[in-house]
Amino acid sequence: AQKITQTQPGMFVQEKEAVTLDCTYDTSDQSYGLFWYKQPSSGEMIFLIYQGSYDEQNATEGRYSLNFQKARKSANLVISASQLGDSAMYFCAMREGNFGNEKLTFGTGTRLTIIP
Amino acid sequence: ETGVTQTPRHLVMGMTNKKSLKCEQHLGHNAMYWYKQSAKKPLELMFVYNFKEQTENNSVPSRFSPECPNSSHLFLHLHTLQPEDSALYLCASSYRLAGVPTDTQYFGPGTRLTVL
Repeated sequence: AQKITQTQPGMFVQEKEAVTLDCTYDTSDQSYGLFWYKQPSSGEMIFLIYQGSYDEQNATEGRYSLNFQKARKSANLVISASQLGDSAMYFCAMREGNFGNEKLTFGTGTRLTIIP
Repeated sequence: ETGVTQTPRHLVMGMTNKKSLKCEQHLGHNAMYWYKQSAKKPLELMFVYNFKEQTENNSVPSRFSPECPNSSHLFLHLHTLQPEDSALYLCASSYRLAGVPTDTQYFGPGTRLTVL
């Protein structure tokens, strides 16, 4: 079974609209971390936001927020007021395991295109 | 220089060549990683170094040989590669704390490798 599932291979969104990128995960660990990364066409993976499994509040970083629903094992990324520069691949990732044995597993990504 | 840097950014090599990829982090981190990103596949973890010690080798063929001389530098030595090894190779670093599987990995811009 896939550890991280991103069901939207591509999305087109009008500029200034909000967009939600879906991510579901699968783990039996109690302690884990969830991450979102952005990858522009240049290739660099840019860290956006992090949510710990024990964090009760949803993480927010500027225009990015993470809608964490632990019981549903979902960690959707919400981008408010989208901009043309938001066009990129977006990857959800999960960190699980103990020290010295952690693994960071990535999903297959969602290609977001912002339309002017 | 700040963050994580990688050189070269692009590399074309024949199957009999020997080349090396270099990664350098300026973030004071104690762990470094090599990932492979092939088209239409999730990011794959190749190697992990904690405090210069290799702690993970994710079933990577021996034609890829990592080297970590210190906590700031990481190399990936390549020889007798195959065309299917063509991919984007990403380096990352993080600061690991014992028992905390939530350290954020910061990535370099990647080396786009083409094997002819």
